[in-house]
Amino acid sequence: GAVVSQHPSWVICKSGTSVKIECRSLDFQATTMFWYRQFPKQSLMLMATSNEGSKATYEQGVEKDKFLINHASLTLSTLTVTSAHPEDSSFYICSATKRGGTGELFFGEGSRLTVL
Amino acid sequence: RKEVEQDPGPFNVPEGATVAFNCTYSNSASQSFFWYRQDCRKEPKLLMSVYSSGNEDGRFTAQLNRASQYISLLIRDSKLSDSATYLCVVKKNYGGSQGNLIFGKGTKLSVKP
Repeated sequence: GAVVSQHPSWVICKSGTSVKIECRSLDFQATTMFWYRQFPKQSLMLMATSNEGSKATYEQGVEKDKFLINHASLTLSTLTVTSAHPEDSSFYICSATKRGGTGELFFGEGSRLTVL
Repeated sequence: RKEVEQDPGPFNVPEGATVAFNCTYSNSASQSFFWYRQDCRKEPKLLMSVYSSGNEDGRFTAQLNRASQYISLLIRDSKLSDSATYLCVVKKNYGGSQGNLIFGKGTKLSVKP
């Protein structure tokens, strides 16, 4: 199988600070990575799609200046929540598709962000 | 109308019971359908794809009715380990990537001894 690792699993930060979440494909090259957000008892919502070496494509309603996505290599994408506020507290999950694969999504374990 | 709707549950069933989950989707042009399983505070994991002719994987059977825009998942002989939230997922009909997925809120299943 394909393994996608996210770090950190849990993060608590003060309001106004920035938090970076990493998403790594451990045993494959990921052409595309996706970032989702899930609020309690809500469905996963796609935030943005990132392709290696190019700018991320954000879904409607997602602020690109607040949620900075960098996909510098075929195995790493980062999501930075800038000037986080309590309403940004959520479960952030990344997923990736394999280069040359079928398009199946492989999910990271998720990162739970709590902003105080 | 939400793009993917599911009964939120929870479904509380005894071990060995048969349980059925229903899902409806609003975009008639949707092409691909899936059931994912999500354990509490964990990432979703693909349970099975749903094909037009219906498909079975062990105790799990998935059905698709395109005319009614309805998807179902049947679990037979439920186990304690089946306790989880089951997500109905539909692929938007644009782009080739599976990243364009619409997730339902999920139906929570709790299997009791």
